[in-house]
Amino acid sequence: QPVLTQSSSASASLGSSVKLTCTLSSGHSTYIVAWHQQQPGKAPRFLMKLKDSGTYNKGSGVPDRFSGSSSGADRYLTISNLQSEDEADYYCETWDTKTHVVFGEGTKLTVL
Amino acid sequence: QVQLVESGGGVAQPGRSLRLSCAASGFTFSSYGMHWVRQAPGKGLEWVAVIWSDGTNKYYVDSVKGRFSISRDNSKNTLFLQMNSLRAEDSAIYFCARVDCTNGVCHIDYWGQGTLVTVSS
Repeated sequence: QPVLTQSSSASASLGSSVKLTCTLSSGHSTYIVAWHQQQPGKAPRFLMKLKDSGTYNKGSGVPDRFSGSSSGADRYLTISNLQSEDEADYYCETWDTKTHVVFGEGTKLTVL
Repeated sequence: QVQLVESGGGVAQPGRSLRLSCAASGFTFSSYGMHWVRQAPGKGLEWVAVIWSDGTNKYYVDSVKGRFSISRDNSKNTLFLQMNSLRAEDSAIYFCARVDCTNGVCHIDYWGQGTLVTVSS
């Protein structure tokens, strides 16, 4: 079954850009990944679905500052022009017919 | 707009039961699979269970098999999670979430606001 690996933390300055990484385990590099944002004290929110080709489909109301890309087993979430409200935990998710939903451990993003 | 509203959380003693509900609106509930996902305090997201749109197929994480039961009432647009034999490690916020599937590949596309379950004597 797939395993998703994320860095535990990241930081970037207000107004800058940051690229978060979610890495699929060996043998699962073609899997689609979804990114979710969880602001402090709130429920998660779906951001986008990201294919191995790099094409992505964003959820309703997700700002243009959020984009996705892929390279091999890596799925990236890039946030441009960072805002204070982007400070949150970011989780990647994938699907497997045996284990069903798999989440990464999440990346805590700090906006400096 | 899609809305998922959980209820039924609270405090329960170890070994007791709770039943969570998730009221859905803004979409054709009977056309979508639904998940329960939980988050222990200060921890990450953990998938708990999924039920397909017609309720025929249900799957669970190993740690809740035999204790939890997911179900749905499509006539009332409501998802349920019956939690029996509760343990301290079941303490978490429980979220319901909608499943979006394309060509057999699925992901979560909407989340509820969550309901807190605390298991303590």
